[in-house]
Amino acid sequence: AQRVTQPEKLLSVFKGAPVELKCNYSYSGSPELFWYVQYSRQRLQLLLRHISRESIKGFTADLNKGETSFHLKKPFAQEEDSAMYYCALSGGATNKLIFGTGTLLAVQP
Amino acid sequence: SAVISQKPSRDICQRGTSLTIQCQVDSQVTMMFWYRQQPGQSLTLIATANQGSEATYESGFVIDKFPISRPNLTFSTLTVSNMSPEDSSIYLCSVEDYSGGNEQFFGPGTRLTVL
Repeated sequence: AQRVTQPEKLLSVFKGAPVELKCNYSYSGSPELFWYVQYSRQRLQLLLRHISRESIKGFTADLNKGETSFHLKKPFAQEEDSAMYYCALSGGATNKLIFGTGTLLAVQP
Repeated sequence: SAVISQKPSRDICQRGTSLTIQCQVDSQVTMMFWYRQQPGQSLTLIATANQGSEATYESGFVIDKFPISRPNLTFSTLTVSNMSPEDSSIYLCSVEDYSGGNEQFFGPGTRLTVL
């Protein structure tokens, strides 16, 4: 079964601390993995995807096929990073997205 | 990137009634998606709407309850029929943009409360 698991509902860190938002997936083929972010009072938007292998706003995520993980990392958290983060996968002909339950990141001053 | 608007932004409805949500895109897109986000939960895909064909529904969602129209490449509607309090949710439409990969752009959502 296709599934995305985000084990943490809430992650609270202090400004400047490293951040790791966990994401594990279950998929029989070769999925495409994404991280979406929703800031307060804004719409859901793409943060990054594994195929682009880029860093956005200091965040990176590496696809680990052996561990079926796609954890989101940032070395030094900023207060403006506080938001809801969703891991998602896409696969097959329709490219529909399957979302995890989301992790609320709260960066304390 | 595609710009998406939804109407209404929110509504409060009585049980047993129906509500139609509109999704408008500023460019022509092939695939449009409708999601539901129930309180405290993640986004769940309801159906995929392609222009010129019937919508494809995900397991647990049926056309009688969530009829969808897709009259052209920039517009779609989702109707929530015979509503009950369990239908209280945020409903979002999204579109797929192929210009830079299969990224999806989301509308602002419609917050529905059923009394």
